[in-house]
Amino acid sequence: GDSVTQMEGPVTLSEEAFLTINCTYTATGYPSLFWYVQYPGEGLQLLLKATKADDKGSNKGFEATYRKETTSFHLEKGSVQVSDSAVYFCALRDGNDMRFGAGTRLTVKP
Amino acid sequence: DGGITQSPKYLFRKEGQNVTLSCEQNLNHDAMYWYRQDPGQGLRLIYYSQIVNDFQKGDIAEGYSVSREKKESFPLTVTSAQKNPTAFYLCASSIAGLRDEQYFGPGTRLTVT
Repeated sequence: GDSVTQMEGPVTLSEEAFLTINCTYTATGYPSLFWYVQYPGEGLQLLLKATKADDKGSNKGFEATYRKETTSFHLEKGSVQVSDSAVYFCALRDGNDMRFGAGTRLTVKP
Repeated sequence: DGGITQSPKYLFRKEGQNVTLSCEQNLNHDAMYWYRQDPGQGLRLIYYSQIVNDFQKGDIAEGYSVSREKKESFPLTVTSAQKNPTAFYLCASSIAGLRDEQYFGPGTRLTVT
C-alpha cells in the first residue's frame, strides 16, 4: 500500500539556520502530497501541498517540490525562527484516506 | 469562522467504561475521519465516513465505534474492548474528493486508568 517515510528527528537548529526535512513516498497512483505542522497539544495544520509532479508548494517561507522521479517531497526553509519549533508531518493522499509519516520534531534555539 | 471542534480537550475515564468523543464541523464537508496519535508516532486511521449514514473501518477500528447521523457530526466511542485507549484523538474532515487535504480539529486527550 501507499506509504510515507520521513527523516527521523529530533532536529535541533539555531535561529536563522537552513532547514531540510526529507520525505519520500511509495504510491501506485499519482497522489497529492502535503506537509502538516503540529504545535504542542494541538491538532495538525496544513502547511503546504502539491497535487502533481513538479508542483512547488509554499507557505510562510517553507517550500517543498513534488519530485516524481525521486518520489520525494522534501520540506525546506531558508531561515528558521524559534516559532517554527513544532512537529512536521509529511502525508500523501490518493484515495479515501491519508497516509502520514511518523513526524519530525524540530527545535529552534535562539 | 468555519472549523472543526472537538470536545472535551481532556477526558479521564476508568478502565471498563465506554466514552464518547465529540467532533463537529461547519465546513460543509462530506467526509470525516478519526485518527489516533500516540507519543512520538504518526497518525493511524480509526474510522472514516464519506457520506451521512455510512462509514468504513480504518487500520485500527477494533474497540471503537462511530455513527454519522448528521453531516456535521461524527462522534467516536471508545469501548471497554479497546485494550490501550489512552491516546490523543484527532478528528478531521475534507471535501469528497480523493486527493484533497484534510482539516483537523484541536484533538482530545483521553486518559484511561
